[in-house]
Amino acid sequence: GAVVSQHPSWVICKSGTSVKIECRSLDFQATTMFWYRQFPKQSLMLMATSNEGSKATYEQGVEKDKFLINHASLTLSTLTVTSAHPEDSSFYICSVRSQTSDTGELFFGEGSRLTVL
Amino acid sequence: AQSVTQPDIHITVSEGASLELRCNYSYGATPYLFWYVQSPGQGLQLLLKYFSGDTLVQGIKGFEAEFKRSQSSFNLRKPSVHWSDAAEYFCAVGARGGSEKLVFGKGTKLTVNP
Repeated sequence: GAVVSQHPSWVICKSGTSVKIECRSLDFQATTMFWYRQFPKQSLMLMATSNEGSKATYEQGVEKDKFLINHASLTLSTLTVTSAHPEDSSFYICSVRSQTSDTGELFFGEGSRLTVL
Repeated sequence: AQSVTQPDIHITVSEGASLELRCNYSYGATPYLFWYVQSPGQGLQLLLKYFSGDTLVQGIKGFEAEFKRSQSSFNLRKPSVHWSDAAEYFCAVGARGGSEKLVFGKGTKLTVNP
């Protein structure tokens, strides 16, 4: 199956700084990656769909200027939380849709926990 | 649009006991259905999936799930729970063709008592 790697696993930053999270597809080229956000004890909320070579598609209510997504290659997508504030503290997870299956299953990265002080 | 309901927020079972986690979905056609497991601080791991054929599907770690169209359900079961099964479990539904996003339930936290 696909292997998806996220980095960093956790990060602590000061309020007002920007943080970049990387998501890599190790086993195959991914034209599409998905970024989810998970609040404590809650489900995953899809933030945006990252499209290689084009602009990301953001879900309703997600600030595109706040959460910058870049998908510059077929194996790497990055999420940058700009001017982070404590309310941005969360668990961010990326995922890649399997290309060997038409059933739409997703393979997930290990997640990145962001804490903004 | 599809939606998923996991009625149980938290379930506690004793090690060795049987387990059933409930999942109900709403979708206009036959969906793709998934169960994922998440350990604390980790990403999600696929346990099993249903897309067609036999309505009883087998997954990893001894889990199985049964698709019941009449009840719009896809409950997850395990005959004998191990302490290592303690985790958060998410049911998800996807549209045919895989072009639409997966929609996740709110999850069920499983606690296993020794």
